[in-house]
Amino acid sequence: AQTVTQSQPEMSVQEAETVTLSCTYDTSESNYYLFWYKQPPSRQMILVIRQEAYKQQNATENRFSVNFQKAAKSFSLKISDSQLGDTAMYFCAFFPQGGKLIFGQGTELSVKP
Amino acid sequence: DTGVSQDPRHKITKRGQNVTFRCDPISEHNRLYWYRQTLGQGPEFLTYFQNEAQLEKSRLLSDRFSAERPKGSFSTLEIQRTEQGDSAMYLCASSLGAGAPPLEQFFGPGTRLTVL
Repeated sequence: AQTVTQSQPEMSVQEAETVTLSCTYDTSESNYYLFWYKQPPSRQMILVIRQEAYKQQNATENRFSVNFQKAAKSFSLKISDSQLGDTAMYFCAFFPQGGKLIFGQGTELSVKP
Repeated sequence: DTGVSQDPRHKITKRGQNVTFRCDPISEHNRLYWYRQTLGQGPEFLTYFQNEAQLEKSRLLSDRFSAERPKGSFSTLEIQRTEQGDSAMYLCASSLGAGAPPLEQFFGPGTRLTVL
């Protein structure tokens, strides 16, 4: 079975500092995609960043970047210069060939002023 | 582009009653997904449609659950004879289809169901 594990239920970071959220997954497939989604309190989920498994280069989107280690099946999210608006639940998600997202349990991130 | 909308946003019902939720996807999106999210957990896939065809259903979707997308536009999710374990947030998402790479799924605000 394909699974996604986020081992940090809660994390906090001071404003302007850097934080890394961890994610591991299990699959026997070689071609797939990985995503980080953000779910702010009482607001809808939005895509933060995505990574294609066949690309060795790590994806970056402004202050957000990933560390993708395919052999280790690890996909961590780094948020630089954290802002108060980054406070949210963050979900790692795996997208195999087949059309459905498989989500991890989530990490609740609090950015403190 | 008004985004994905869901109605109602909140529903409180008594055990044994039937409930129906509606999802309106982004207009040009041909794929529509339903997920269920319980407190403190990530969303779990329930089912998805390509246009009006229901292509996959999770084993989480018991016989009491049925989903339709009759004209390939909006979708409804019905739960019959609700149970307390059905209490959850029901999320709808839509995307432009199954191209490679998979296109972003846009999520709605969800319908929070409470079964008393």
